[in-house]
Amino acid sequence: GESVGLHLPTLSVQEGDNSIINCAYSNSASDYFIWYKQESGKGPQFIIDIRSNMDKRQGQRVTVLLNKTVKHLSLQIAATQPGDSAVYFCAEIWDSNTGNQFYFGTGTSLTVIP
Amino acid sequence: DAGVTQSPTHLIKTRGQQVTLRCSPKSGHDTVSWYQQALGQGPQFIFQYYEEEERQRGNFPDRFSGHQFPNYSSELNVNALLLGDSALYLCASSQFQGQEGSPLHFGNGTRLTVT
Repeated sequence: GESVGLHLPTLSVQEGDNSIINCAYSNSASDYFIWYKQESGKGPQFIIDIRSNMDKRQGQRVTVLLNKTVKHLSLQIAATQPGDSAVYFCAEIWDSNTGNQFYFGTGTSLTVIP
Repeated sequence: DAGVTQSPTHLIKTRGQQVTLRCSPKSGHDTVSWYQQALGQGPQFIFQYYEEEERQRGNFPDRFSGHQFPNYSSELNVNALLLGDSALYLCASSQFQGQEGSPLHFGNGTRLTVT
């Protein structure tokens, strides 16, 4: 299954399928990006990060892809499990003269169907 | 290793009242940021504290103020509460010296309801 972030804020996938969650970021000066997972009643939890000098980074069952040309970030979850059901946020970070600025997108709600 | 802890977990206040929320950062972290998260939205940055000073501030009115203590813990104060202040308030900690690529670690938030 695939989402396009703001245009499709919900995504439903079958257990065992791969999920792709997309995020369009706004600031071309952003040089660091993070994906967070937020389960109901909890705070956002760090999943994976990527710096702007990379275009791909892999973790355990997750891969983040960065396309700076079109300012697009995606999170791929392999073999999606019911425990992956949550809201996923991308955060873009850039340096300002007062320190790092974090900006969070609206989020995409992922539902895994058993 | 304790993560970010926030108190209370839930709070109900009346319009016009004042509220104080508390946060203890993750062990080893010296910087605390506060975020407001409305239902169905991403976290919105309120402000950041380091060395007991407000270092950055988002687009929030002066009714929102904060404090950081020598042990790095922090408080968020909101005066003259409005119905629109109802939200989940998240505290996040990080290491200031690791600012370049230092992920925020979040607590589970305080759910504030203003009636």
